[in-house]
Amino acid sequence: DTGVSQDPRHKITKRGQNVTFRCDPISEHNRLYWYRQTLGQGPEFLTYFQNEAQLEKSRLLSDRFSAERPKGSFSTLEIQRTEQGDSAMYLCASSSTDLLAGGPRETQYFGPGTRLLVL
Amino acid sequence: AQKITQTQPGMFVQEKEAVTLDCTYDTSDQSYGLFWYKQPSSGEMIFLIYQGSYDEQNATEGRYSLNFQKARKSANLVISASQLGDSAMYFCAMREYFQGAQKLVFGQGTRLTINP
Repeated sequence: DTGVSQDPRHKITKRGQNVTFRCDPISEHNRLYWYRQTLGQGPEFLTYFQNEAQLEKSRLLSDRFSAERPKGSFSTLEIQRTEQGDSAMYLCASSSTDLLAGGPRETQYFGPGTRLLVL
Repeated sequence: AQKITQTQPGMFVQEKEAVTLDCTYDTSDQSYGLFWYKQPSSGEMIFLIYQGSYDEQNATEGRYSLNFQKARKSANLVISASQLGDSAMYFCAMREYFQGAQKLVFGQGTRLTINP
């Protein structure tokens, strides 16, 4: 039983560059979430997918951010023209609406995160 | 909008002692769920325990238990017989429903340090 995986684990980039992160959810999970966590804070919701459809985006997600989940499997989060304020931990989580796979409480299971530092 | 408040930025406890981490919440929903996650220095959020608003009994998972006081809107995490490996950040979160799905609203966390 593999958990949620994220790649890369760490990313250092220069301001203005584009970066892309990947998340592979638990295989039987149909829902996928992205959160952002800055230093000393709890995670904040960014966006959510049910299968391949992106159903919700936070106001935190500016036009420089785009997320995809082709074929309802892995997801990518791209940040264009990075700014120093984008430095944070980007966390991916997945859950299942199936009671057998996700349980009645539909717990979200998180990956190890991608730490982004924009210089 | 829902809100989670964790008022203890840091807690220091001796190994083998019990520790209580505070969490209060604010919601107008009748049905809601509360979660606790542990975040070690490696960064991964590890699910610990869940309490549903209609659950009649306080949730327990091994050394973790949740002291749920609905009228006071509090959901404190109790860790019994603390271990050095319990040193981490702990986050309380509430499920907020939208578009037929859920997102989690987190508190600011409590950093727990277990001293030998």
